[in-house]
Amino acid sequence: AQKVTQAQTEISVVEKEDVTLDCVYETRDTTYYLFWYKQPPSGELVFLIRRNSFDEQNEISGRYSWNFQKSTSSFNFTITASQVVDSAVYFCALSEARGGSNYKLTFGKGTLLTVNP
Amino acid sequence: NAGVTQTPKFRILKIGQSMTLQCTQDMNHNYMYWYRQDPGMGLKLIYYSVGAGITDKGEVPNGYNVSRSTTEDFPLRLELAAPSQTSVYFCASSYLGAEWTQYFGPGTRLLVL
Repeated sequence: AQKVTQAQTEISVVEKEDVTLDCVYETRDTTYYLFWYKQPPSGELVFLIRRNSFDEQNEISGRYSWNFQKSTSSFNFTITASQVVDSAVYFCALSEARGGSNYKLTFGKGTLLTVNP
Repeated sequence: NAGVTQTPKFRILKIGQSMTLQCTQDMNHNYMYWYRQDPGMGLKLIYYSVGAGITDKGEVPNGYNVSRSTTEDFPLRLELAAPSQTSVYFCASSYLGAEWTQYFGPGTRLLVL
């Protein structure tokens, strides 16, 4: 069965600090997708990034970057120079391609990031 | 393009009452989902649909029912509400072309007293 672990329940940083959110996944499949979502205090879920299992290139988008390492089954998310607006719960999710069910996501429990001014 | 919309935003139910949570998407996605989010527990899949007329159970389907008569709509029915159903409910949709990225509605907060 697939599983996503976000070991950091809560992280608190001061503005302008860099912060890394960890995500470790388990899957028996060779084809899968990994996702990060942001849930700000307003409650909606915002899609941030998708990565498929055949693409191990790291991605950078502004202050956000993602490090995908199949060797350690990790898909970590780094925010550089954090800002108060980054305060949110961040979810990592996994979608397997096993049995044609690759449209279903398994979510981690989330990491609450608080950025203090 | 409104994306995924949900109504109501908030509702209080008494134990034993029933209600329907509405979900509509205008992106012509064939896959739709219902999740519940409990504090500190992430999201759990209740039901999903791979197209009009086709639905299937997720991880936590007990106490809920769904139907999918059109591509756009995927209502979630709660029969005989119980306090354990107090939660935030999210509807989402996806399609193959976006590599299964799910796009979420704003959520419905339900309180059962």
